[in-house]
Amino acid sequence: QVQLVQSGAEVKKPGASVKVSCRASGYNFSRYGITWVRQAPGQGLEWMGWINVYNGNTNYAQKFQGRVTMTTATPTSTAYMELTSLRSDDTAVYYCARDFPFDIWGQGTMVTVSS
Amino acid sequence: QSALTQPASVSGSPGQSITISCTGSSSDVGGYNFVSWYQHHPGKAPKLMISDVSNRPSGVSNRFSGSKSGNTASLTISGLQAEDEAYYYCSSYTSRSTPYVFGTGTKVTVL
Repeated sequence: QVQLVQSGAEVKKPGASVKVSCRASGYNFSRYGITWVRQAPGQGLEWMGWINVYNGNTNYAQKFQGRVTMTTATPTSTAYMELTSLRSDDTAVYYCARDFPFDIWGQGTMVTVSS
Repeated sequence: QSALTQPASVSGSPGQSITISCTGSSSDVGGYNFVSWYQHHPGKAPKLMISDVSNRPSGVSNRFSGSKSGNTASLTISGLQAEDEAYYYCSSYTSRSTPYVFGTGTKVTVL
């Protein structure tokens, strides 16, 4: 079936980087974009950015520009989201989702930033 | 990026109907028919319930319906059931620098 499967939980120290993966299956990976959304503890959903899987074009939320990089590896149908210079307020569950409307979601990856 | 405004909580008894509002501006909800709604049970992945203001994806119960008037979109859940207890988020395309924005989220409680 159509699904997105994300990598496991991460614990990072402030200032470090994290790279979350999102493997797609059950559909033509190149035909849809991948969006990344995060949810901090007790907070709502926050749109982080989007990547056009076909040509690699990206659109990042202004808040994350300079710290986030979204990439894909078409042979393995995998999308990646790397966030650098981590701070404690980056502690959140990070989700990948297919395009807009976000019709398929990954299960989420908990990223904890703590010294 | 300013979030769309939703009520923090809405409640209803089983069998009743409830409506969740999502208020934005002419730059997002009012300007485009790209409003979607998501159901989120804590600890699980969000689920698309409504796309393009009022389209219900295959597999979503017809108890869920969406509409829009001006800068406010709405999600109505009819015949409320215990399994509907969850958080609900709206989302819209926006003409601002960040192209998509979510609502603040609404907790639905089934009494």
